[in-house]
Amino acid sequence: AQKVTQAQTEISVVEKEDVTLDCVYETRDTTYYLFWYKQPPSGELVFLIRRNSFDEQNEISGRYSWNFQKSTSSFNFTITASQVVDSAVYFCALSEGGSGGSNYKLTFGKGTLLTVNP
Amino acid sequence: ETGVTQTPRHLVMGMTNKKSLKCEQHLGHNAMYWYKQSAKKPLELMFVYSLEERVENNSVPSRFSPECPNSSHLFLHLHTLQPEDSALYLCASSQGEGGTQYFGPGTRLLVL
Repeated sequence: AQKVTQAQTEISVVEKEDVTLDCVYETRDTTYYLFWYKQPPSGELVFLIRRNSFDEQNEISGRYSWNFQKSTSSFNFTITASQVVDSAVYFCALSEGGSGGSNYKLTFGKGTLLTVNP
Repeated sequence: ETGVTQTPRHLVMGMTNKKSLKCEQHLGHNAMYWYKQSAKKPLELMFVYSLEERVENNSVPSRFSPECPNSSHLFLHLHTLQPEDSALYLCASSQGEGGTQYFGPGTRLLVL
């Protein structure tokens, strides 16, 4: 069974600080996909990134960067120079890459509430 | 309209009422999903439709009844709900198996 653990329930930082959100996953599949979503107070889940299990290259998008390490089953997310607008709940998620419908299922972590204070 | 839309955004209903949640996707996707998000719980997948056929039903009580008339529309019909069904109900869509799921803004449901 697949599982996603986000050990940090809440993080509070001051604007312009860098912050890293941790994500550890478990799966028996060799093909799988990892995701990060942002959920602001309005409620909508906003897609941030998708990574497949064969692509361990780190990715940077503006102030966001992601560090995928298969050896430690981690997919951590760093926000550089945080801003108040980054305040939200961030979810890490995993889907399997097999056939037969299993890869419709996104397994979410419990989320990390990030508060960026001015 | 763009992306995934959901109506209503907020709903208050009594336990004896019947109501429906509507979801519409404008992304040309062929799979749609209902999720339930309760306070302090992980998101729970309720139903999955692919090409208008239900492919997943995660042991959801029969008081929740989904309907997918075409690949762009998804409904969740509600009847005789319980207070513990109060939650944020999120709809999502994707293109094919394993496609990235894009979510709507959700319907905040309160059952009195």
